[in-house]
Amino acid sequence: SQQGEEDPQALSIQEGENATMNCSYKTSINNLQWYRQNSGRGLVHLILIRSNEREKHSGRLRVTLDTSKKSSSLLITASRAADTASYFCATDEAGGYNKLIFGAGTRLAVHP
Amino acid sequence: KAGVTQTPRYLIKTRGQQVTLSCSPISGHRSVSWYQQTPGQGLQFLFEYFSETQRNKGNFPGRFSGRQFSNSRSEMNVSTLELGDSALYLCASSLSGTIGNTIYFGEGSWLTVV
Repeated sequence: SQQGEEDPQALSIQEGENATMNCSYKTSINNLQWYRQNSGRGLVHLILIRSNEREKHSGRLRVTLDTSKKSSSLLITASRAADTASYFCATDEAGGYNKLIFGAGTRLAVHP
Repeated sequence: KAGVTQTPRYLIKTRGQQVTLSCSPISGHRSVSWYQQTPGQGLQFLFEYFSETQRNKGNFPGRFSGRQFSNSRSEMNVSTLELGDSALYLCASSLSGTIGNTIYFGEGSWLTVV
């Protein structure tokens, strides 16, 4: 079963615009990780945020985590066509030994 | 540093056959986990190994099995293949499995069952 739900399911924007994706989850977590997947490829790790952190930055990425609302958001600033991909959030259960639970993902299309 | 390596990348099998997929984790990583990705069910956890011991298992039938070797390389096996087993199988590795561990994925093995 999937713990997380991403919102929106699909997002279409122009190059240079910002893209925001949201993720909600159900149980207590240790960490939340965001991944990118290009069509037919593996998952590329973007960023990890621990349960005691509220915000993290990496280049053009900004991730927030609100454990009281059990939600996270991924912001990609100044989007590029190369950012076109599916984005997934994944949480790991406390004591779960690397068992990640994924959301359904957001399909992002960035148009030149 | 090489990433997670999975072989084969693509394979086609017939219903009833069995298949073995291989995964080499990032050097120094001792935890290896496996996931199945399908359009209908999304990404689902299969199992995780650490130091040759299975520590966690997902909700899959016994036809799905795995093992880890002393060099941390892992294999997963699916016996008596069914059409519904067609999927992208992803292997992931991390240093251990404690809080804060980044989990890295390979490119996956595409399995088609006909």
